[in-house]
Amino acid sequence: DTAVSQTPKYLVTQMGNDKSIKCEQNLGHDTMYWYKQDSKKFLKIMFSYNNKELIINETVPNRFSPKSPDKAHLNLHINSLELGDSAVYFCASSQGAVAVPNEKLFFGSGTQLSVL
Amino acid sequence: AQKITQTQPGMFVQEKEAVTLDCTYDTSDPSYGLFWYKQPSSGEMIFLIYQGSYDQQNATEGRYSLNFQKARKSANLVISASQLGDSAMYFCAMRESLGGNQFYFGTGTSLTVIP
Repeated sequence: DTAVSQTPKYLVTQMGNDKSIKCEQNLGHDTMYWYKQDSKKFLKIMFSYNNKELIINETVPNRFSPKSPDKAHLNLHINSLELGDSAVYFCASSQGAVAVPNEKLFFGSGTQLSVL
Repeated sequence: AQKITQTQPGMFVQEKEAVTLDCTYDTSDPSYGLFWYKQPSSGEMIFLIYQGSYDQQNATEGRYSLNFQKARKSANLVISASQLGDSAMYFCAMRESLGGNQFYFGTGTSLTVIP
């Protein structure tokens, strides 16, 4: 059983298209995240949801829209894809509504997005 | 200021030797957690070890240990008896108790184990 699963693993698309990445966790965690890892391997937080509510919304183009239908799912929809959106996108989750320092992040396997 | 700083973009170590990957952090929160993650070439993020700010002893997990020096705000990862499979990117991360649910990541260190 995969704890945090995201699909697809690879996504190749043309500039201007709209695409979605899905994420599901079966750990019963309250908090889910989207991270972007660029070509230099830098991990940047994009969004975080706690029990379906947006709690972290970093400076991200509004072409990126997260959607959390329930606390086990956090999907990422990207409109009008641009070349610079090419990266690896990681979904992650952690337990607890209130931040507790020892709660680690569980990561999905990542989605390699390539915009041509 | 950077919350997490990893100053070694790349490191090399001979197989079976020990290696230390540096990590310094910046926080005014008295309660925080420090984490190390490994990212092999296959891309997944693997949790390695955790150290809490109030932990009296350095954390250890098998061949991984964390050299925690609170006054210096450093949390270096020590890998003993390096193996070829240890070649990967290593990320240091911090979570503050007052920081909401934010995890701060360093820029990573690429470790190569030489046979």
